[in-house]
Parts: sequence; C-alpha cells; structure tokens
Amino acid sequence: EVQLVQSGAEMKKPGDSLKISCKASGYSFSNYWIGWVRQMPGKGLEWVGIIWPGDSDIRYSPSIQGQVSISVDRSIATAYLQWSSLKASDTAMYYCARLPLGPPNYYFDFWGQGTLVTVPS
Amino acid sequence: SYELTQPPSVSVLPGQTAKITCSADALPNHYGHWYQQKPGQAPILLIYKDSERPSGIPERFSGSISGTTATLTISGVQADDEADYYCQSAHSSGSYGVFGGGTKLTVL
Repeated sequence: EVQLVQSGAEMKKPGDSLKISCKASGYSFSNYWIGWVRQMPGKGLEWVGIIWPGDSDIRYSPSIQGQVSISVDRSIATAYLQWSSLKASDTAMYYCARLPLGPPNYYFDFWGQGTLVTVPS
Repeated sequence: SYELTQPPSVSVLPGQTAKITCSADALPNHYGHWYQQKPGQAPILLIYKDSERPSGIPERFSGSISGTTATLTISGVQADDEADYYCQSAHSSGSYGVFGGGTKLTVL
C-alpha cells in the first residue's frame, strides 16, 4: 500500500528556518517523481515543485522558485521542503504527493495528509 | 502567467448531472487531470489523462476534453459529492504543472 506520511504541524517566527518531511512507503521511492503542493488558508491548490529521487532533478513553479528548496534522502525514502527564512506569507498547508509519470504528463496519484505551517506576522 | 480557468461555483440538485469545465490554450497538447478535495482533507485523484479513472473511483465520475476545454462530469450527484474540484495540467512549456482555481460544487 502506497503511503506518504508527513511531519507534524509547525508554528514558527518570521525569519526562522524550517524543513518539513514526507516519508514514502509501499513503492520504489527512486522510481517515481515526488512533489509538493501549497494551499494557503481558504485558497486553492498551488504547484510548488517536484523532484526525481534518482538524480535530484527538480522542477519548480516560477512563482515559488527561490522561496523554497526541495530535496530527498533516498536512503530513508523521504522528501523534504525547506525554507531558509520564513515569512508570514508562507503560512499554508503543504502536501506532498507522488507522480506516476514524468514531465510533461504531471499528475499526483497519492497524497500525504498535509503539514500546516503557520508563521504569525 | 498561464492559467487554467474554472467556474468558481456550480450548484446541482441531488440525482442530477454536474459539469465542471476547465479551459486553457495548451490543453490540446497536455493531459488534463481532476482532483476532489473535501474540507479538512487532502485532495484525491478523480480523473487522470483526460478521461481515465483510478481504481476505486465510482463510474459516476467521468472526464472528457474538447479543444481547449476539459470537462468533469458527475452523474447522479449525491450529497457526499459536495466538495471543491480542481483541474490540473502542465504549463504550456511542459516544464512544470499548474492547477485551476477550483470549483465549489454545492448539492442543493
């Protein structure tokens, strides 16, 4: 059974750094793209970026590139989303999800439960 | 910026058919996919590659594409179908993905 289990909710201050995780199981981690989706409070889904665990090829949405970093640790089948300096505007639910196909046929077939990141202004 | 355009809301009576559209210039060149999200829950994949249904998704949910518009059709709508629905495709460049703004389906 494919499962993506994300780390718990975080409350941080502006300027803090943060790394949230997504632990994959039930499939061959290195053989599927894995990505992140942002959902700001009361808003829709936004594509953040995806990574190929095999060689860490990363594709970011231009609107978010530079604000976050995506990485993986293949040895523990875990993907990460990282910020070096959080802003209040980073407050959102972040989902990780698996992609069964690569570019440009992107879609997500399995999703994590979400990690709520709160950065009070 | 490249956009997938969805109606903000659709309302339907129980048992009727709901159609949710998603328009974008590059849809003839890239697949359209659909997700359902209920309050407080992660999205789930409803339709992929324009019209394919993952296992476990009821046949009431179907997808189609005509020109630059993808359509999600929900037949025999039930109260439990009340949710937000998002289309998703690739940016016209193919270099990353994009989501539509979402459609709130209300079952009257």
